[in-house]
Amino acid sequence: NAGVTQTPKFQVLKTGQSMTLQCAQDMNHNSMYWYRQDPGMGLRLIYYSASEGTTDKGEVPNGYNVSRLNKREFSLRLESAAPSQTSVYFCASRDSPTQNIQYFGAGTRLSVL
Amino acid sequence: GENVEQHPSTLSVQEGDSAVIKCTYSDSASNYFPWYKQELGKRPQLIIDIRSNVGEKKDQRIAVTLNKTAKHFSLHITETQPEDSAVYFCAATRLRDDKIIFGKGTRLHILP
Repeated sequence: NAGVTQTPKFQVLKTGQSMTLQCAQDMNHNSMYWYRQDPGMGLRLIYYSASEGTTDKGEVPNGYNVSRLNKREFSLRLESAAPSQTSVYFCASRDSPTQNIQYFGAGTRLSVL
Repeated sequence: GENVEQHPSTLSVQEGDSAVIKCTYSDSASNYFPWYKQELGKRPQLIIDIRSNVGEKKDQRIAVTLNKTAKHFSLHITETQPEDSAVYFCAATRLRDDKIIFGKGTRLHILP
């Protein structure tokens, strides 16, 4: 039981490049989330998915797209990376509505040059 | 939408003393208030949570208090230890609501 798994752990991109951050959970959770963490800004919600087939915008969705591929997987795509997207990205899942605890992945540290 | 304010942004306390972190929220319908701890280089993990039908909850050295009228809640850590050094995040949400917004975090330093 691995919990929430994110890949890659580290990534360096050049401005304008695209990439997809992968997230998978093996806890059969309904809800999944993408947050970014910047110094002094806390955890800001980018997108979330309440269930397979649904996605919703969070606080800072601009410049990102997401796909809830199935119940296990929720990916985050940067189509044209910008230096402002340099951050640590965390994926999380939650067994809503029965439980409210969010379980986080280990994070992806992304640098855009 | 929900807005969560967290204070202070940084807190230093002497080992053995108590630490208090405060959060306020804007949505009066919020009824679930979790606290997460993030150690350096690690992922956030839930340490305690409270629902709106109670005013206080304790778990060993940590406690959370809730004042629904004033729309604020606080994390209390007593007899602080070096391993309490971390960043702490609060959140406020409605049960069954999937959108969870966090405060900006408090970096707690425990001084020897």
